Amino acid sequence: AQSVTQLGSHVSVSEGALVLLRCNYSSSVPPYLFWYVQYPNQGLQLLLKYTTGATLVKGINGFEAEFKKSETSFHLTKPSAHMSDAAEYFCAVSAPGTASKLTFGTGTRLQVTL
Amino acid sequence: GAGVSQSPSNKVTEKGKDVELRCDPISGHTALYWYRQSLGQGLEFLIYFQGNSAPDKSGLPSDRFSAERTGGSVSTLTIQRTQQEDSAVYLCASSSRLAGLRETQYFGPGTRLLVL
Repeated sequence: AQSVTQLGSHVSVSEGALVLLRCNYSSSVPPYLFWYVQYPNQGLQLLLKYTTGATLVKGINGFEAEFKKSETSFHLTKPSAHMSDAAEYFCAVSAPGTASKLTFGTGTRLQVTL
Repeated sequence: GAGVSQSPSNKVTEKGKDVELRCDPISGHTALYWYRQSLGQGLEFLIYFQGNSAPDKSGLPSDRFSAERTGGSVSTLTIQRTQQEDSAVYLCASSSRLAGLRETQYFGPGTRLLVL
């Protein structure tokens, strides 16, 4: 069984400030981990993923995340927020395999202010 | 097409009516998933199809929900005797058969269902 916890349903940052969105997971097997972004009235877009190998993964739009097994975390960061980053962000976990359902966190809504 | 497409984009129905939601996956993708996104429950897995294998229906909330995938491509999610709690955005996703890409799901824009 797997689960995801995203701390903070709403996060507000100033433009140019660091973005940190937290994600912790629980999994009985080595997980695959994902961050998706959802803009208003749109579907989910993959930002980045961790499967195996390097624990620091870089994604689109300047985002990156680090898999920390000891902390069961996969926090999403971006050094400098842009207004266009305002959206809802979902962390998700799946079990390794050829195809596997995603278990999502409850999401974090990121607000970027001037 | 270039991405996953879903139709209709919006559906309003009356309680007790049946609805059908359609998903066209990315061409060549062998796996297809349905999820539901609602205010109270967040993003929930409903069902997935993988090639010719029996589908994983473990996420379907009741026997009013069913889905089929014809010819290994298009999928239809059917909700019978709709209830107000079925109001949600229904998202479809697909993934590739290619090694290194199988774990990545690509999502459609969703169908927003409102049951009055």
